[in-house]
Amino acid sequence: DTAVSQTPKYLVTQMGNDKSIKCEQNLGHDTMYWYKQDSKKFLKIMFSYNNKELIINETVPNRFSPKSPDKAHLNLHINSLELGDSAVYFCASSLRSPGIVYEQYFGPGTRLTVT
Amino acid sequence: DAKTTQPNSMESNEEEPVHLPCNHSTISGTDYIHWYRQLPSQGPEYVIHGLTSNVNNRMASLAIAEDRKSSTLILHRATLRDAAVYYCILRSGSGNTGKLIFGQGTTLQVKP
Repeated sequence: DTAVSQTPKYLVTQMGNDKSIKCEQNLGHDTMYWYKQDSKKFLKIMFSYNNKELIINETVPNRFSPKSPDKAHLNLHINSLELGDSAVYFCASSLRSPGIVYEQYFGPGTRLTVT
Repeated sequence: DAKTTQPNSMESNEEEPVHLPCNHSTISGTDYIHWYRQLPSQGPEYVIHGLTSNVNNRMASLAIAEDRKSSTLILHRATLRDAAVYYCILRSGSGNTGKLIFGQGTTLQVKP
């Protein structure tokens, strides 16, 4: 009964390849996020979708393309991988209502290593 | 979103209380104070949040200063499992996109 799950857990690939990371939540939330944690452990928001609509895009390179087929899924596709894309990527989900701040639930992370 | 300041690291002994401070002198009236923590090799997890009054839950307590310019996360009896990075984050209740802005956090070491 995992709340937020990500696949794969580890991903090792070569520069120039294209890869995808998948995220699913079974909490009934309407908003999902992607965060990136770099080698210095700094966590930064990348994207957010609310009801399949993109609401946050934090100046991430065009090589990164999120896709939300439905409220329970948010996938991240990365084209032409670069060494600097090596990081841990976390998916999260929450509810969202005007004026109310809900807690976010995070997945276990996907460690991407680009060689 | 307003900025928070936390000590880089703190140490505690097992089974003793831990007080993790956070300064947020530019907090606005609609900002909620949230705490998350990240255990080693795991995703962040929600700990507690509050607006003006002190809050308690099964994980911790949150003490908020009267002027709201600072707050303290209290772990009543630290266990080895509480060793983590603790993040104090302000989140606006208005115009809220939901994003969390993480700072460097406080790395808590718990000694047996």
